[in-house]
Amino acid sequence: EAAVTQSPRNKVAVTGGKVTLSCNQTNNHNNMYWYRQDTGHGLRLIHYSYGAGSTEKGDIPDGYKASRPSQENFSLILELATPSQTSVYFCASGEDRGQDTQYFGPGTRLLVL
Amino acid sequence: QQQVRQSPQSLTVWEGETTILNCSYEDSTFDYFPWYRQFPGKSPALLIAISLVSNKKEDGRFTIFFNKREKKLSLHITDSQPGDSATYFCAASASSGSWQLIFGSGTQLTVMP
Repeated sequence: EAAVTQSPRNKVAVTGGKVTLSCNQTNNHNNMYWYRQDTGHGLRLIHYSYGAGSTEKGDIPDGYKASRPSQENFSLILELATPSQTSVYFCASGEDRGQDTQYFGPGTRLLVL
Repeated sequence: QQQVRQSPQSLTVWEGETTILNCSYEDSTFDYFPWYRQFPGKSPALLIAISLVSNKKEDGRFTIFFNKREKKLSLHITDSQPGDSATYFCAASASSGSWQLIFGSGTQLTVMP
């Protein structure tokens, strides 16, 4: 059973539209992360969370919001999607800060037209 | 400014050869260095990791060599197999400060049979 799941797996959005990417984990991990992956850039951290109710900015938070309503769920919100946000988005969970294994979801491919 | 650099960007080797992937970093506070492997179309997964207290970490055919003075690491894959074909990401984090994982841009490895 997949411990980190993401929905949707694929999404096509229009410029200026609102997009919500959802992540659910059954690992009971405190920490959750949202990354985007683009060719030549590896994985870049957008937002992360220490636990329910907390969200923190990562390296590239501009244009993104995050929400952690529960231990299991972590959402990434694009209020006004732009073509530059076309990417593959990965959610991950981890038990401890920094020196822990991060477990990644299957990813969401987002295309903003 | 990339805090974690990887080279080469891509690499092709023959089955049975030893593969060497390089990684360097700038931030002296980094003290944990995991390597993640990503197969095509899949999500990244932890392969092997080393901390500042060690110079070498071995796990089967995979070995990390760590030169702390030069802030360089290398991942050696002995007896490379076609199934090792994937993208390998070096990452780093600091137990003090922000503790975020900073990923390099990755090395795409192809092992020819």
